[in-house]
Amino acid sequence: EIVLTQSPGTLSLSPGERATLSCRASQSVSNNYLAWYQHKPGQAPRLLIYGASSRATGIPDKYSGSGSGTDFTLTISRLEPEDFAEYYCQQYGRSQGITFGGGTKVEIK
Amino acid sequence: QVQLVQSGSEVKKSGSSVRVSCKTPGDTFTTYAINWVRQAPGQGLEWMGGIIPLFRTTNYAQKFQGRVTITADKSTSTAYMELNSLRFEDTAVYYCARSYSDHEAGDYYYYRMDVWGQGTTVTVSS
Repeated sequence: EIVLTQSPGTLSLSPGERATLSCRASQSVSNNYLAWYQHKPGQAPRLLIYGASSRATGIPDKYSGSGSGTDFTLTISRLEPEDFAEYYCQQYGRSQGITFGGGTKVEIK
Repeated sequence: QVQLVQSGSEVKKSGSSVRVSCKTPGDTFTTYAINWVRQAPGQGLEWMGGIIPLFRTTNYAQKFQGRVTITADKSTSTAYMELNSLRFEDTAVYYCARSYSDHEAGDYYYYRMDVWGQGTTVTVSS
């Protein structure tokens, strides 16, 4: 099973700043089957990015994903109040290998 | 807007079982798999398993093998997740989510989860 390690655990930033979140896999992620989700308290998770770099339907272009192999990054270009949330990376594909990272909390500084 | 609608909150005794339902739009099972993901208090997201109605198959994370059963009722377009032998640590919010799926060389694949249910809180007490 591939372990996904997200860093940092918490990111304290001000509105308007750029956020860079990291997701590192213990082994290479096949076909770049790597997704990013935003999760706010009391809400369902929201798919942001899939295939490491493709934005999901309706996701604004301030969100971008990059990376391949074992190192992946989610970037939020300019933070707005609604972007402060928890973010999770996920490896998908074979049923035996579906895992989530531990999450990064983006909080207001 | 596509919606998955889950059943309401549950409070259960340790050692008992809980069944959570997930109502989907009528054509969901012909195209999509349904996944179950949970989040315990202060913890991250955890994939429990999924069902691919088109292939009549279920897949479970090793951690939950033997304790969880996922089913799908095609007549009502509703998926179910039943968790047995509940422990205090099973207190969590449980989500269903749809994904595309595939089958290749004996393996089953679950892809990105693009639509989620609203979540069901399950509280396990002693």
